[in-house]
Amino acid sequence: RKEVEQDPGPFNVPEGATVAFNCTYSNSASQSFFWYRQDCRKEPKLLMSVYSSGNEDGRFTAQLNRASQYISLLIRDSKLSDSATYLCVPGTGKLIFGQGTTLQVKP
Amino acid sequence: DTGVSQNPRHKITKRGQNVTFRCDPISEHNRLYWYRQTLGQGPEFLTYFQNEAQLEKSRLLSDRFSAERPKGSFSTLEIQRTEQGDSAMYLCASSGVAELTDTQYFGPGTRLTVL
Repeated sequence: RKEVEQDPGPFNVPEGATVAFNCTYSNSASQSFFWYRQDCRKEPKLLMSVYSSGNEDGRFTAQLNRASQYISLLIRDSKLSDSATYLCVPGTGKLIFGQGTTLQVKP
Repeated sequence: DTGVSQNPRHKITKRGQNVTFRCDPISEHNRLYWYRQTLGQGPEFLTYFQNEAQLEKSRLLSDRFSAERPKGSFSTLEIQRTEQGDSAMYLCASSGVAELTDTQYFGPGTRLTVL
C-alpha cells in the first residue's frame, strides 16, 4: 500500500465551481499534515496546514480524520489561478508526498 | 530574498560525471531536507539535517550520493558517477524546530539531466 494515496485526476472544473480532493495516508504516527500546491516545473508551496479540528483559509477548507487516516481539501469559487497540482502531505519530520491531484480550472 | 535558495538551477552532465548542488536555507532554520522529484510523481525524501547532524537517510540515497552540512548553515548534495536514472529535480527545504507544525519551505530546485 502506498504511504499516501491521492486521485491523480485531472479534475477539470469551470470557474466558480466547488471542488474537493481527498487523500488517505498509511502511517498512523504522522503528526503534522499539510496541503502543498505545485505549479508545473516549480517547487511545492505550502497552501495550508491541516489541524484535527479542521481549518479554513479564505476559499480553502481542510479537514483531517485521524481515525480514518483521511485528509481532505475543499476549494470554493475556483479561480483560473487555482490550476495546479495539490499534494497531500503527512509528516513526521520528513514529509511524505502523494502523487498529487491535478486541477484544471477552465473559463 | 530570505527564502531557500538553490544553485545551480539547472545542470546537464554526462553519465559518469560527478555533480554537486548547493542549498542555502532560510537563515534562522536549523533543519534542512533534501528531496528528489521525477516527472509525474511527488517529491521523495532523501535525507535531513538538524544543524550539522545528518539524522536520517532514505534507502533511496545510494552510496553514490552524499550530503553534508558542515557548519549547520548551507548544505551540499553530491552525486558521484551519475546515471541516467539520476535525472530529476532535486529540492531542498528548511524548517525551524520552533515551529509547532514543522512547516517546510522549499527552494526552487536544481533540475539535473544526465545524458
